[in-house]
Amino acid sequence: DTEVTQTPKHLVMGMTNKKSLKCEQHMGHRAMYWYKQKAKKPPELMFVYSYEKLSINESVPSRFSPECPNSSLLNLHLHALQPEDSALYLCASSQVVGPRVDEQFFGPGTRLTVL
Amino acid sequence: AQSVTQPDIHITVSEGASLELRCNYSYGATPYLFWYVQSPGQGLQLLLKYFSGDTLVQGIKGFEAEFKRSQSSFNLRKPSVHWSDAAEYFCAVSGSARQLTFGSGTQLTVLP
Repeated sequence: DTEVTQTPKHLVMGMTNKKSLKCEQHMGHRAMYWYKQKAKKPPELMFVYSYEKLSINESVPSRFSPECPNSSLLNLHLHALQPEDSALYLCASSQVVGPRVDEQFFGPGTRLTVL
Repeated sequence: AQSVTQPDIHITVSEGASLELRCNYSYGATPYLFWYVQSPGQGLQLLLKYFSGDTLVQGIKGFEAEFKRSQSSFNLRKPSVHWSDAAEYFCAVSGSARQLTFGSGTQLTVLP
């Protein structure tokens, strides 16, 4: 199984809502990532988990809260978002290979719209 | 610091024509290099990667790329483009920063 799954595919939420994005992989990867991607732009790294511990937080606002309950699951909890947070949110996973990043496998993404 | 430049924002080719997408990287040592493809509204799919060894790398869907250390380049090529190749292409580098750094992307349009 070389697939990363993400749910939901689409999400519309108001600025006062609380929602969560979910990501799952069963490839035995111990590194998992959240990216934000705006239209016509490359993915921007938000968070990295390595061995279920948060290793990189790219100065993301606290209205985004990541969680890694186990080695296969990654969540992104959303609260009090702004319209400019509307984007495609991508999850990825990879092997942990020394200090460098190995090939990352990406999920299909969650298209988030904040009203 | 590591960085990637994709000089071409948009490329248009006719179906059946050859394709070359340019990628230049900046990193002091030998980097890990990747090419990803993204169809609209989809995730990224890895086309090929270079870590070491043979500098000509074969990938999926008939793509290949050549690592040229002297030019700090990792250009993507395909001898004959198909309409289904129309997509956004991202070059990425992994150095010592424990993360992928993506180029700005090249949008490929294929004319019938």
